[in-house]
Amino acid sequence: GQNIDQPTEMTATEGAIVQINCTYQTSGFNGLFWYQQHAGEAPTFLSYNVLDGLEEKGRFSSFLSRSKGYSYLLLKELQMKDSASYLCAVIGNDYKLSFGAGTTVTVRA
Amino acid sequence: GAGVSQTPSNKVTEKGKYVELRCDPISGHTALYWYRQSLGQGPEFLIYFQGTGAADDSGLPNDRFFAVRPEGSVSTLKIQRTERGDSAVYLCASSYDDGGDSNQPQHFGDGTRLSIL
Repeated sequence: GQNIDQPTEMTATEGAIVQINCTYQTSGFNGLFWYQQHAGEAPTFLSYNVLDGLEEKGRFSSFLSRSKGYSYLLLKELQMKDSASYLCAVIGNDYKLSFGAGTTVTVRA
Repeated sequence: GAGVSQTPSNKVTEKGKYVELRCDPISGHTALYWYRQSLGQGPEFLIYFQGTGAADDSGLPNDRFFAVRPEGSVSTLKIQRTERGDSAVYLCASSYDDGGDSNQPQHFGDGTRLSIL
């Protein structure tokens, strides 16, 4: 089975930085995705990591350590529109995408 | 270009009824996925199509659930004898299969919110 853990909620101030951690125990590993989901909307793709290290894409960066079964999503220069749920998802040996429960980020003015 | 389209956006029906949920994937995407998402949870895998065939249906909860993709494009998720526990948002996603080892991101539709009374 797949087990993916991430914090339930985080709150941060506009302009600040927030780091969302994700740990996973899966049957094999073939990549890790981060998605953003606003309430009532579709999850939208943010980043993909398959090798160890940091992937930077504008204000968002994602890090992976396969040996530790660990990833984080870093959101910089937070904006009010970044308030959303952030989903960590892993592809294991079964090539299916297994999602964590999501982290709800609330950005305060 | 158009994204993944799902209809209806909302469906309310009585327990015991039959429902069909439709997904129109992004043009050219050969892989299509159905997920179910309950409040406060991440999407849960149901079934995966590669072309017309169901490559993996291990996530379907029981035999009341069935999905088809007869022409390798539009897919329909069918639920028979609906139960209150079936209430959830049903998400469809599609991706481009380049035949290589890279994992192409799945692109999601807005989902169908199904409520069983």
